[in-house]
Amino acid sequence: AQSVAQPEDQVNVAEGNPLTVKCTYSVSGNPYLFWYVQYPNRGLQFLLKYITGDNLVKGSYGFEAEFNKSQTSFHLKKPSALVSDSALYFCAVRDDRGNTPLVFGKGTRLSVIA
Amino acid sequence: GAVVSQHPSWVICKSGTSVKIECRSLDFQATTMFWYRQFPKQSLMLMATSNEGSKATYEQGVEKDKFLINHASLTLSTLTVTSAHPEDSSFYICSASPGASAGNTIYFGEGSWLTVV
Repeated sequence: AQSVAQPEDQVNVAEGNPLTVKCTYSVSGNPYLFWYVQYPNRGLQFLLKYITGDNLVKGSYGFEAEFNKSQTSFHLKKPSALVSDSALYFCAVRDDRGNTPLVFGKGTRLSVIA
Repeated sequence: GAVVSQHPSWVICKSGTSVKIECRSLDFQATTMFWYRQFPKQSLMLMATSNEGSKATYEQGVEKDKFLINHASLTLSTLTVTSAHPEDSSFYICSASPGASAGNTIYFGEGSWLTVV
């Protein structure tokens, strides 16, 4: 069975500082990994994904994530946080067996303080 | 990216009535769509997989007679909450993927807030 762990319920960072939101996963087969962001009362916005290729993937709004197969991790990072980055972030995984649903982590609330 | 549209965004209904939520893929065809439910400050819980032209596949613990899913075309799936009760109040989100042509990215609708009074 697939699973995603986001060990931090809340991450606080000062504006301008780098941020990291952690994610580890478990999947049989090759993982397709995703990060989404959710603003209050809104749906999920796609940030980035890893399917294959380079382990470092770059996405929307300056975010990036590094796929680490040996550590089964896919941490989300940004070099310089903005107050507007404050939101709920979800890591998700699906396997490569076709059109299967995403399995989500519990989410991490990011708070960027001015 | 691809667009998935949900309607309505907000709905309030009386206990015992039924409510239909629509999920449309606006610029691609989706043979499969997924319905999720999200409680406040919690993660997304997969309810069911909606398959065009066939019966939906429900996750364990989800009542198929209560949450009716119809996927009548390649661009539309509907979720009907039948005989709604206050405990059905939640945020419902659908998702779909254009498939390999879009790099297997899954896109989400804006969600539908259901309040049962």
